[in-house]
Amino acid sequence: EPEVTQTPSHQVTQMGQEVILRCVPISNHLYFYWYRQILGQKVEFLVSFYNNEISEKSEIFDDQFSVERPDGSNFTLKIRSTKLEDSAMYFCASYRGLNTEAFFGQGTRLTVV
Amino acid sequence: QQQVKQSPQSLIVQKGGISIINCAYENTAFDYFPWYQQFPGKGPALLIAIRPDVSEKKEGRFTISFNKSAKQFSLHIMDSQPGDSATYFCAARGRSGGYQKVTFGTGTKLQVIP
Repeated sequence: EPEVTQTPSHQVTQMGQEVILRCVPISNHLYFYWYRQILGQKVEFLVSFYNNEISEKSEIFDDQFSVERPDGSNFTLKIRSTKLEDSAMYFCASYRGLNTEAFFGQGTRLTVV
Repeated sequence: QQQVKQSPQSLIVQKGGISIINCAYENTAFDYFPWYQQFPGKGPALLIAIRPDVSEKKEGRFTISFNKSAKQFSLHIMDSQPGDSATYFCAARGRSGGYQKVTFGTGTKLQVIP
């Protein structure tokens, strides 16, 4: 069964450092998303991406965040200068098209120290 | 208006019992209501879903009941098993411009004890 894969599974970084979280969506999917889950809390929408541009972003997704699909297969989330409160699980999800199911990756646990 | 409210926050059920998790929404533009199951260290996985034109959907031991007029829906797990112990998120999907977005509830941590 096709799956969304995310790397790394766990990243520890110092406050103020840049991190890049990587996702490989399912190959024929067209819509890509990042969600965040702070430990013990709900899953929060960060950003959606379609046709090589951001289609929507939440208030969490400020200027420190950016997304890119550099090579047609990877989908990345970059946090320019990490803060302690960025510590969370970050999930990538992809959809084939409207009215289809979202498939989530297993997540990257980001720990900012 | 984009919120999905979920209760209870945690639930302990004996093996063989019925687990019930409730959700409520406000946005009538939501057109699809999935439930996700999440095990520790894993991403959310789709468990069962319902569209608002149906009042109930059953898949095995899992049933969604949907009340469109009350804007409420619930997940029932019959004959709950220890392997069902996980966090369950209700969600609602709606269009945002030409794109769809899933809004999650706050989650219910279910523990099924032998």
